[in-house]
Amino acid sequence: DAGVIQSPRHEVTEMGQEVTLRCKPISGHDYLFWYRQTMMRGLELLIYFNNNVPIDDSGMPEDRFSAKMPNASFSTLKIQPSEPRDSAVYFCASSFSSGNTIYFGEGSWLTVV
Amino acid sequence: AQSVTQLGSHVSVSEGALVLLRCNYSSSVPPYLFWYVQYPNQGLQLLLKYTSAATLVKGINGFEAEFKKSETSFHLTKPSAHMSDAAEYFCAVSPASSGTYKYIFGTGTRLKVLA
Repeated sequence: DAGVIQSPRHEVTEMGQEVTLRCKPISGHDYLFWYRQTMMRGLELLIYFNNNVPIDDSGMPEDRFSAKMPNASFSTLKIQPSEPRDSAVYFCASSFSSGNTIYFGEGSWLTVV
Repeated sequence: AQSVTQLGSHVSVSEGALVLLRCNYSSSVPPYLFWYVQYPNQGLQLLLKYTSAATLVKGINGFEAEFKKSETSFHLTKPSAHMSDAAEYFCAVSPASSGTYKYIFGTGTRLKVLA
C-alpha cells in the first residue's frame, strides 16, 4: 500500500518567495496532520484536519502560514512570504479515526536563503 | 495537559549491548503511548504502541517497551544493539479518548551504536 506521499522532497527558495508543500494521505484515512521539525524546537504540530475540515490550527506560527484540504486525498501547506527561520523539515501524516497510529510521510526539506 | 520527557538526547552503546531509551510522560487522562524511529533523511516510522492492553509491548526490529503506570514511564529496550539501530527515537503520548489527536512528541534521543 502507498504511504503518505509528500512533494517536493527538497526545496530551496529565496526569502520572500511563496512555498507550497503538498501531501497525499493514505487512502481511507480521515485525519491529516502537518508537523514541522527543527533542531531547536523538535517536532511541532502545526495543524490537523478531520474529514477535510481544519480542527486545530493553534500550532500555525503566524499568518504567513496557511493550510488547506480541498478533498480527502490532497492537502497543501503554504508559506507566503517565506523567511529563513522557516527552514525546517515539514512532515505530513495521516490516521484513521478508529485507529490511533499516525503514519508519516518522508518529509519536505525546506531551506529558505 | 500532557507532556513527554525523554532523558538523554544522545545515547551510545556498543554493538551487542543492551539498548535502553527512557521516556516519562505526564497525562491527566489514560494515555496511549508510542515509540517512533527516524532514520537519517527519512520520516518517522512506528516502532510500537501501548493502547491499554498488555503493559509489555513488542515492536519491530526486536524492540519492546513496558508501560509502568506507577512510574509514569514507557522505556524502550532492545537486548542486543545492531549497527542498523543507529537512528533517532521519539516517544509520543496522546489521550486515550476519541476526538483528540494532539499527539505530543518528546525531543528525541539519538542512538549511536559503536562497533
